Amino acid sequence: AQSVTQLGSHVSVSEGALVLLRCNYSSSVPPYLFWYVQYPNQGLQLLLKYTSAATLVKGINGFEAEFKKSETSFHLTKPSAHMSDAAEYFCAVSPSGGNEKLTFGTGTRLTIIP
Amino acid sequence: DSGVTQTPKHLITATGQRVTLRCSPRSGDLSVYWYQQSLDQGLQFLIQYYNGEERAKGNILERFSAQQFPDLHSELNLSSLELGDSALYFCASSQDWTSSDTQYFGPGTRLTVL
Repeated sequence: AQSVTQLGSHVSVSEGALVLLRCNYSSSVPPYLFWYVQYPNQGLQLLLKYTSAATLVKGINGFEAEFKKSETSFHLTKPSAHMSDAAEYFCAVSPSGGNEKLTFGTGTRLTIIP
Repeated sequence: DSGVTQTPKHLITATGQRVTLRCSPRSGDLSVYWYQQSLDQGLQFLIQYYNGEERAKGNILERFSAQQFPDLHSELNLSSLELGDSALYFCASSQDWTSSDTQYFGPGTRLTVL
């Protein structure tokens, strides 16, 4: 069975500062990993995904994440935070064997301080 | 706009009642997924259909059922509703059924059970 752990249910950063949202996974088979963003009163939008190609994945809105097998991590980063980045971020995992079920983490609420 | 539509946007009903949530996938997508998002359980996968057939089941209660119709839209039926069923219900769709496929989420239906 696969799972993800998101460290920090709330993260606050100043506008212009580095954003780092942490995600560690547990999977019995090589995983596929995803980051989704949820803005208030909206559905989830895919930011980026790792499907065993390049370990550094670039997504939309300037976000990127690096798959580190040795650390079982897939942390999300953005060099410079914008006010519009304030949202809830979810890390998710699915096994690469064809089972399409997504298992989500508990989410991290990102607040941007002006 | 993900291209996935869900109706209704909000639903308020009483305990013991039955409701139907509707989802139309993106054009060309054959898979439909249902998720429940609640404060205590987070985001949980309920069930998936692919081209009209049930493909995967998650933490779906026996009081809940779903189906996907020949035109590929899907309905989630919730019966004998309890207070704890109050949640945001998301539908997502993807082109295929493989776990690397991006799932595109609808805006959700907020169900309130009084």
